[in-house]
Formats: sequence, structure tokens, C-alpha cells
Amino acid sequence: QVQLEESGPGLLKPSETLSLTCTVSGFSISSHYFWSWLRQPPGKGLEWIGSIYQSGTTYYSPSLKSRVTMSVDTSNNQFSLSLNSVTAADTAIYYCARSVVPVFHWSDPWGRGTLVTVSS
Amino acid sequence: QSALTQPPSASGSPGQSVTFSCTGTNSDIGYYNYVSWYQQHPGKAPKLIIYEVTKRPSGVPDRFSGSKSGNTASLTVSGLQAEDEADYYCSSYGGSDNLIFGGGTKLTVL
Repeated sequence: QVQLEESGPGLLKPSETLSLTCTVSGFSISSHYFWSWLRQPPGKGLEWIGSIYQSGTTYYSPSLKSRVTMSVDTSNNQFSLSLNSVTAADTAIYYCARSVVPVFHWSDPWGRGTLVTVSS
Repeated sequence: QSALTQPPSASGSPGQSVTFSCTGTNSDIGYYNYVSWYQQHPGKAPKLIIYEVTKRPSGVPDRFSGSKSGNTASLTVSGLQAEDEADYYCSSYGGSDNLIFGGGTKLTVL
């Protein structure tokens, strides 16, 4: 049974870099799937941040592309998100998820999510 | 690319059917059969209930069904149950390596 779990700091100051890791268990990250990050500001809707394939090929949301970097660590069955120059607008629950090929158009399952708050 | 458009709320009584709409453009919903629907209960992660317009993952009741006409996708929940009260989000591949979501519809079971 595949499970995903997000981890990382829950509180950041403006201009800092958000760094999160998703640990995948019960399934090899080297399998033929994308691995995605999505977020949800409190009380608001879902937003796709980006997706990465096992090879390291990445796809990012156009609105976040300039600030996002994703990476994959197949040896530890993990993938990571880095978002620089954060502002209060980046406060959200961040989810990692397994996404289907060829175009990451659906995701299942999702991790439980981790709340990241940006505040001075 | 703009978000997909969903009505903010919907309601129905137990046993009834309710249909949610999700409107996009001819560059996303109208072009690709890559529409998905997610159910989210308060404080929980989203759960996939429909993918590729009409397909249901294993374990999702057949009370949930999806369809598409032109630039609008729809999710129908038949035989409403109290446990169906949740937020429902649609998403679509938008081309150019982009994935877009709707703003969500809050379903209230009366």
C-alpha cells in the first residue's frame, strides 16, 4: 500500500526558502509515475506546484516556475520541493502525491499534508 | 491560464442526485480528456474519485459518475448520503505542461 508523508519546517519568515521532503513507502519512486507537489491556502482551493519523474525531468506551474525547484532521491525513495523568496501568499497546506503519466493529470494517493506558515 | 470555474456551493437531500459543473475552455477541458475530480472532507487530504472524465478508481462507489460536454465537465452524485458532504474539486490538464484546478464546490447534504 503506497503511502506518502510530507516533512519540513512549519514556520518561515518572508524571503526565506521553503524546503519540504516527501517520503514514499510501499512503492518504488523509480516506477513509471510522476511525483507531484500541490498546495492549498487555508480555506481556499487546490493549486498544482509541479511534478517530477524518476529521471529528474520536471514540470512546474507557470506562476511559480521562477521560484520552484524539485528533486528526486531514488536511493531514499524521497522527492523534495524548494520554493524561494516566500511571502505570506505562500502560506498553505502542502501536499505531495503520486501522479500518472504521461501528463500528471491525476494524482492518487496524496500525503496528509503539512501546513507551512510564512510570517514575520 | 485561468482556473476552472465551479459553483461555490450545492446541496441536496439524502437519496437525491446532485450534479456539479466545472467550466473551462477549448484549450483544457474542451481539448483533453484529462479531467479529474477530487473529494475533500474537512481537515483531510483530497481523494481521487473520477479520472479521465468518466473513470472511477477502485473502491469509489458507482454513485459517483463523471461526464463532459464541450468545455464543461460534470460530476454527478446519485443517492446522496450524509458522508458525501465535502468539498469537490475538478482539475484538467491545460496543455503546455500545466495542470489547473477549479475553485471547488461545497456540497451540503440537507
